[in-house]
Amino acid sequence: EADIYQTPRYLVIGTGKKITLECSQTMGHDKMYWYQQDPGMELHLIHYSYGVNSTEKGDLSSESTVSRIRTEHFPLTLESARPSHTSQYLCASSAREAEPNSPLHFGNGTRLTVT
Amino acid sequence: KNQVEQSPQSLIILEGKNCTLQCNYTVSPFSNLRWYKQDTGRGPVSLTIMTFSENTKSNGRYTATLDADTKQSSLHITASQLSDSASYICVVSDRGSTLGRLYFGRGTQLTVWP
Repeated sequence: EADIYQTPRYLVIGTGKKITLECSQTMGHDKMYWYQQDPGMELHLIHYSYGVNSTEKGDLSSESTVSRIRTEHFPLTLESARPSHTSQYLCASSAREAEPNSPLHFGNGTRLTVT
Repeated sequence: KNQVEQSPQSLIILEGKNCTLQCNYTVSPFSNLRWYKQDTGRGPVSLTIMTFSENTKSNGRYTATLDADTKQSSLHITASQLSDSASYICVVSDRGSTLGRLYFGRGTQLTVWP
């Protein structure tokens, strides 16, 4: 089992609220990712990071922001939640570029519902 | 357009039976292909990773094959168990960037009945 943790597991929140989804890993991985997953659909990359102080937007347009102040921590923030943000959010990490075939290690996700 | 297509979308089999899941991709240039298992309410877990030169790779009762010429992969599950009920996701990585861009399929939802 990979040592990557996401909290909370489930979150129900009203429109307009600010939320932060937490993600931490204890494997010392440089690369971390946030994916969005809807039922029956493929995962979509919304943010990634190569290391501390490195963050990039992914393929899927997202109103969320991320930060990477410490190697092990990669939180995702929504300044003003909307019903369209209702989804499953998965955090993942992988080893450095010298190991290009290393697998992604996923957390168990946060199921977000915005009412 | 780089894509990953999986079939069938869903599958129901009886415990103890074998099954094969398919993955076709158009990703180029190809780097590697991965199969993940995702239990309901959990994150995906890696089963196998295959590079261009590998034709087959096993992980217990799971055997993945890769035909890089036809751009097809299969995941064969032998002697299925109830715990095999999950979504199986095919993921293909390209060599076009240092990030190793990942292309995800939508998964095959497998249900194993007793």
